[in-house]
Amino acid sequence: DAGVTQSPTHLIKTRGQHVTLRCSPISGHKSVSWYQQVLGQGPQFIFQYYEKEERGRGNFPDRFSARQFPNYSSELNVNALLLGDSALYLCASSPTGLSEQFFGPGTRLTVL
Amino acid sequence: DAKTTQPPSMDCAEGRAANLPCNHSTISGNEYVYWYRQIHSQGPQYIIHGLKNNETNEMASLIITEDRKSSTLILPHATLRDTAVYYCIVYLIQGAQKLVFGQGTRLTINP
Repeated sequence: DAGVTQSPTHLIKTRGQHVTLRCSPISGHKSVSWYQQVLGQGPQFIFQYYEKEERGRGNFPDRFSARQFPNYSSELNVNALLLGDSALYLCASSPTGLSEQFFGPGTRLTVL
Repeated sequence: DAKTTQPPSMDCAEGRAANLPCNHSTISGNEYVYWYRQIHSQGPQYIIHGLKNNETNEMASLIITEDRKSSTLILPHATLRDTAVYYCIVYLIQGAQKLVFGQGTRLTINP
């Protein structure tokens, strides 16, 4: 079975630009969560979506937004990029939203 | 969320058992202990979780003390591929599925 997939793998943007990251969960999984991992630190929770509804939001500014589609795939959008947004963005899926999460390989975002 | 304390780094010889400790003295009665690991530049990988009883799966064993204030992840026969950062997380299974990662333990398996 295919695992969680994310695209693109790597991305380079400049300050002030906008970025959209995409995630496809494991087939049958209805929950998707997004995490940001800055170099040298553990992942930090950004959002969780379950059945297209936002279930949780971490301590991130409104420049960060997300949505989940009817096929349970998800997009993470970041507006007005800052240098500090450079990080590995991880997507995780789970069957019900209340069980172990399966992570994708991440998207490495570099903001110049 | 309850906080966890883990040693920043550990070494283990290949083929030996790796025992990774975690303190979670403020854990509440309905919070689970989860372990994930992250191999360099990859997404975290779920290993095991438990509430009160010891648990074992094909990857590892989890030993939780009777007072639940600490736990130990055991990799019975460590291989070089087990070199990774291991995260111990206490997690309440309700509401937002928010994993709170600390700094973890960087485990190095030596040949």
